[in-house]
Amino acid sequence: SQKIEQNSEALNIQEGKTATLTCNYTNYSPAYLQWYRQDPGRGPVFLLLIRENEKEKRKERLKVTFDTTLKQSLFHITASQPADSATYLCALDGNTGGFKTIFGAGTRLFVKA
Amino acid sequence: EAGVAQSPRYKIIEKRQSVAFWCNPISGHATLYWYQQILGQGPKLLIQFQNNGVVDDSQLPKDRFSAERLKGVDSTLKIQPAKLEDSAVYLCASSLTSGRETQYFGPGTRLLVL
Repeated sequence: SQKIEQNSEALNIQEGKTATLTCNYTNYSPAYLQWYRQDPGRGPVFLLLIRENEKEKRKERLKVTFDTTLKQSLFHITASQPADSATYLCALDGNTGGFKTIFGAGTRLFVKA
Repeated sequence: EAGVAQSPRYKIIEKRQSVAFWCNPISGHATLYWYQQILGQGPKLLIQFQNNGVVDDSQLPKDRFSAERLKGVDSTLKIQPAKLEDSAVYLCASSLTSGRETQYFGPGTRLLVL
């Protein structure tokens, strides 16, 4: 069955460092992959989208890579700030299993001042 | 531009009772989604509408859950009768066209079934 895995353990980093979050998937051929941010008590907020034929996408301090051979995406936040503390969700839309979006469980990020 | 609106924000019911959630998507968005998010998990799609037609409801427990999208705008999601395992946050999202693009989420309705 289709499976998306994100680091289940929370990631703790120091302010100013780069946070790197991982999203791995199996039994899936995504047409594209998205990253969302979710704060407690709120709905997810879209951050970045990367398509299957793209290797890397950047937006301000955010960078996403997408390796369809490894079936993995990496999400980087450079010069991290305490305000970046949140849960980050990986979501895939595919060429298999219909067109519905499948979300990972998310990784909780804590940035300490 | 107003975002996706949901109500109520919180609901506590006893098992076997019924409950309904309401969603008003962003104006002009053709696609509307209902997700269930259990604590510690990612959102799981329950049903997707394109205008007022159902695109995907493969993960909707149809024996107890129902949803409709009135005139292709607002939507309601109903649970009848509720079970303990239905305790979750119910998220509504909308997107401009047929999906495969950015989804805009509402704040969610937190349901507790006792």
